[in-house]
Amino acid sequence: EVQLVESGGGLVQPGGSLRLSCAASGFTFSDYYMDWVRQAPGKGLEWVARSRNKANSYSTAYAASVKDRFIISRDDSQNSLYLQMNSLNTDDTAVYHCVRLRVDARSIDHWGQGSLVTVSS
Amino acid sequence: DVQLTQSPSFLSASVGDRVTITCRASRVIDNHLAWYQLKPGKAPTLLIYAISTLQSGVPLRFSGSGSGTEFTLTISSLQPEDFATYYCQQLGSYPLTFGGGTKVEIK
Repeated sequence: EVQLVESGGGLVQPGGSLRLSCAASGFTFSDYYMDWVRQAPGKGLEWVARSRNKANSYSTAYAASVKDRFIISRDDSQNSLYLQMNSLNTDDTAVYHCVRLRVDARSIDHWGQGSLVTVSS
Repeated sequence: DVQLTQSPSFLSASVGDRVTITCRASRVIDNHLAWYQLKPGKAPTLLIYAISTLQSGVPLRFSGSGSGTEFTLTISSLQPEDFATYYCQQLGSYPLTFGGGTKVEIK
């Protein structure tokens, strides 16, 4: 059974940093693209970042709203995905979901429950 | 960026009703269009991918169709467990984008 479990969320002041982790199990992690998707309170879904798989050189992509502030990374030996979030602002307050893409990247096929990040003074 | 406009943003329906949700793209997209169901407190689930392919385990009352810039999600006979919020997503070009969501509530 595929499982994605996020951790590392919490309350942080504007300008601060936080690192989210996602522990994956139930599949060969290195074979898959992995993304972060967020949902701000009362708002819709927003794609945040992508980590492609080993076959695609672990290349990355970012939403414009987080580019140059957030860094997505992965450790295939630990079956883990990370999101380093820097220079946080109140607009980054959201539940952050770790998600797995289908092998053909045509959709997200598994979602984690999410980790809440609150940016507030 | 490809903007996805979902309509309606909210709909009230009864058990047994046929429900159609539309997702319009700001430009022609390929078939990298998916639909998801969100319920409070639960992880979102994939319903449809590649416009019309039903994800394994999803009930047959769900279907997807469309091409070009207009896509639809149809629930043929609404069931109590279908009251939720639905989102479309395009995965064909960066940045990946979602529609604004459609909340389906009990009439």
